[in-house]
Amino acid sequence: AQSVTQLDSQVPVFEEAPVELRCNYSSSVSVYLFWYVQYPNQGLQLLLKYLSGSTLVKGINGFEAEFNKSQTSFHLRKPSVHISDTAEYFCAVSDRSDSGYSTLTFGKGTMLLVSP
Amino acid sequence: KAGVTQTPRYLIKTRGQQVTLSCSPISGHRSVSWYQQTPGQGLQFLFEYFSETQRNKGNFPGRFSGRQFSNSRSEMNVSTLELGDSALYLCASSLATTRDTQYFGPGTRLTVL
Repeated sequence: AQSVTQLDSQVPVFEEAPVELRCNYSSSVSVYLFWYVQYPNQGLQLLLKYLSGSTLVKGINGFEAEFNKSQTSFHLRKPSVHISDTAEYFCAVSDRSDSGYSTLTFGKGTMLLVSP
Repeated sequence: KAGVTQTPRYLIKTRGQQVTLSCSPISGHRSVSWYQQTPGQGLQFLFEYFSETQRNKGNFPGRFSGRQFSNSRSEMNVSTLELGDSALYLCASSLATTRDTQYFGPGTRLTVL
């Protein structure tokens, strides 16, 4: 069984400031890791994913995340946020199944609120 | 390529009724997953279909069912609706495996009165 913890339900930040959204996971097996963003009244959009290789993953819209296996974390960062980054962000994990597929388990989400 | 489409976008039903939601995946995608999103429980996995077969199922009662057609379009059905079924139902499609990106539709907002 897997679980994902997003410690912050809301993160307020001023425009052009840096931001970090935290994500910790629990799993007994190796995992794939994902960050999705959801804008109001829309579905989820993939920001980035970690499958293997370099632990620093770059995604869309200037976001990046670092996989830390020892701390079981996958924190999302952006050096300078824009008003348009206001949205809810979800961290998700799936195990590396031999069948090629397993379900995505999501965290509860972090609402990023960017103000001028 | 057209994205994932879901119909209808909004639905209002009363307790005890049943409802069918539809999802059309991105062309070429054979996997379709369904999720329920509520403020209290967050995003929860319902089931996943691949080539017309249910490959995985979440922890939901048997009132929730689904199917996939030969063209990969999928439907989910909820029978005997309860107030707690009010939620945003999201459909996601991908090529085949978990390594492949899941692309989400805009969702169907179901309200049960």
